[in-house]
Amino acid sequence: QTVVTQEPSFSVSPGGTVTLTCGLSSGSVSTSYYPTWYQQTPGQAPRTLIYTTNTRSSGVPDRFSGSILGNKAALTITGAQTDDESDYYCVLYMGSGIWVFGGGTKLTVL
Amino acid sequence: EVQLVESGGGLVQPGGSLRLSCAGSGFTFSSSWMSWVRQAPGKGLEWVANIKEDGSEKNYVESVKGRFTISRDNTKNALYLQMNSLRGEDTAVYYCASGRSCRGWGQGTLVTVSS
Repeated sequence: QTVVTQEPSFSVSPGGTVTLTCGLSSGSVSTSYYPTWYQQTPGQAPRTLIYTTNTRSSGVPDRFSGSILGNKAALTITGAQTDDESDYYCVLYMGSGIWVFGGGTKLTVL
Repeated sequence: EVQLVESGGGLVQPGGSLRLSCAGSGFTFSSSWMSWVRQAPGKGLEWVANIKEDGSEKNYVESVKGRFTISRDNTKNALYLQMNSLRGEDTAVYYCASGRSCRGWGQGTLVTVSS
């Protein structure tokens, strides 16, 4: 069974730029996987940031961007703010109606 | 604005059943795929099931196949998840989400499976 991989944790300084990735245990991520990114703070429901690789959800600041980098999907935060300290999840479409989430990345801003 | 409100969670014994509901508003419910996603305590998100706009296609994660059934009633803008033969590992917050890639989210309902 294919596993969706994410960095367990990442740290960035306020004002800095960070790129989180979403890969596959076997194979490369492409736009055909419709990568989607979510932000979740403790005790809250997830919030959709980016869908279909690089489309920003309504109300999401443009410092959040999505792309394909090499063989992975990527979420880049430019000019990180303390409010960005959250868990970030990606999900990929595996075909046959099935979606699989990555394990999530805990982002620390300090 | 998409609004999704889940209900029906609670404490249930192993082997028991529970039916979750989700009420949708602020979007065209009948034109949207709908999904259930769960999150066990302290763990990550897990996609559970989805259903096509007209209910003609349903998909499930392997671990719930044969035990959970997703359904919808477009006349009531409602999504359901019938959960049977519940196990301890089904303990989680269950979120209702709109769209194939779960773009809109509810606040979730907690299901606890324990004796």
